Amino acid sequence: GGIITQTPKFLIGQEGQKLTLKCQQNFNHDTMYWYRQDSGKGLRLIYYSITENDLQKGDLSEGYDASREKKSSFSLTVTSAQKNEMAVFLCASSIWGTNTEVFFGKGTRLTVV
Amino acid sequence: GEKVEQHESTLSVREGDSAVINCTYTDTASSYFPWYKQEAGKSLHFVIDIRSNVDRKQSQRLIVLLDKKAKRFSLHITATQPEDSAIYFCAVASSGQKLVFGQGTILKVYL
Repeated sequence: GGIITQTPKFLIGQEGQKLTLKCQQNFNHDTMYWYRQDSGKGLRLIYYSITENDLQKGDLSEGYDASREKKSSFSLTVTSAQKNEMAVFLCASSIWGTNTEVFFGKGTRLTVV
Repeated sequence: GEKVEQHESTLSVREGDSAVINCTYTDTASSYFPWYKQEAGKSLHFVIDIRSNVDRKQSQRLIVLLDKKAKRFSLHITATQPEDSAIYFCAVASSGQKLVFGQGTILKVYL
């Protein structure tokens, strides 16, 4: 088995601040994802990376940057935190291919004051 | 792009009864339909999936049905137990290796 580690677990930021969320996986998976979870809206894809040197925008990429530093790590940056923003950011990974199980981390809960 | 609609936002069932969660999708080319469960305070984990070459799949108390013509699939949980209480998400594998999720269904199993 493997594990996906997200840091930090809780992140409090100020309006306009640039914030970085980190994710590490030891599954040796090729593909990694960042999703945002808001109550009542399901999960929305922000960025994903099919292989180590790839970066793809999801449906919610505006306001975010991402970086696939190496195969095992994928970070997400909120470029300018929005006041009263509150969401959970979930990192996930899978082997390459569309019909494969995706494994999720425990999430980073962001609050912007 | 692909859109997934999950029809029940909340569902309450008595222990022992069945629960059914329905999802519809838009892209006729979609071929992979997984379901994920999120228990309170925890992250999502995979529960069951179905591929477009079959229309029914069962794993113990979980049954997934797929109607490609109607672009609809559903999760049936039979003989529900309190530990089935959770948020359930349907998803569809879209082009470019993306999973598009539904909005989630809060299932409550009461005694």
